[in-house]
Amino acid sequence: GQNIDQPTEMTATEGAIVQINCTYQTSGFNGLFWYQQHAGEAPTFLSYNVLDGLEEKGRFSSFLSRSKGYSYLLLKELQMKDSASYLCAAYDSNYQLIWGAGTKLIIKP
Amino acid sequence: DAEITQSPRHKITETGRQVTLACHQTWNHNNMFWYRQDLGHGLRLIHYSYGVQDTNKGEVSDGYSVSRSNTEDLPLTLESAASSQTSVYFCASSGGEAGANVLTFGAGSRLTVL
Repeated sequence: GQNIDQPTEMTATEGAIVQINCTYQTSGFNGLFWYQQHAGEAPTFLSYNVLDGLEEKGRFSSFLSRSKGYSYLLLKELQMKDSASYLCAAYDSNYQLIWGAGTKLIIKP
Repeated sequence: DAEITQSPRHKITETGRQVTLACHQTWNHNNMFWYRQDLGHGLRLIHYSYGVQDTNKGEVSDGYSVSRSNTEDLPLTLESAASSQTSVYFCASSGGEAGANVLTFGAGSRLTVL
């Protein structure tokens, strides 16, 4: 079956760095998304990786290893507003999105 | 500014009643999707549409229906609401042809079935 695994919850300190991991098992693979979702709000797009490697966008970076079925989202210089859930989703061979359950990130002062 | 709006934002209904959740987008996107989100689960796809008069079932389509009569709207109907359909429902849209597309989500509709 198709599956996305990510930790349920993580805690980090304001100003620090946190890495949120995501492993996927899909029938074929056509790229991986990260979305951010604040409590009670809609998910918003953060990144899309289809090739191996690291892509950096300001304080956020996303990494993909296709051979390992693995991605991570790296958040630097954490701010209180980064407290949110982070959703990992992968496209299978039919461009159907498979979603993880999300990682709730708690930032402490 | 283009947007995607859902209504109602909150709805309480009784078991057995028919409920329709509206989704309207002004992005002129061809692709529209309905998801439900429940604690402990990822977003689960209910129905989707790649254009006018096109509708497709997702992984959790039982008890739900959609219709696409124009580009802007994809209403989701629960024919006979059940308590298991208590959830937060998100509509999303994306542009472009087949392939990887970024989803833009509406703000969500929280439905409670008593």
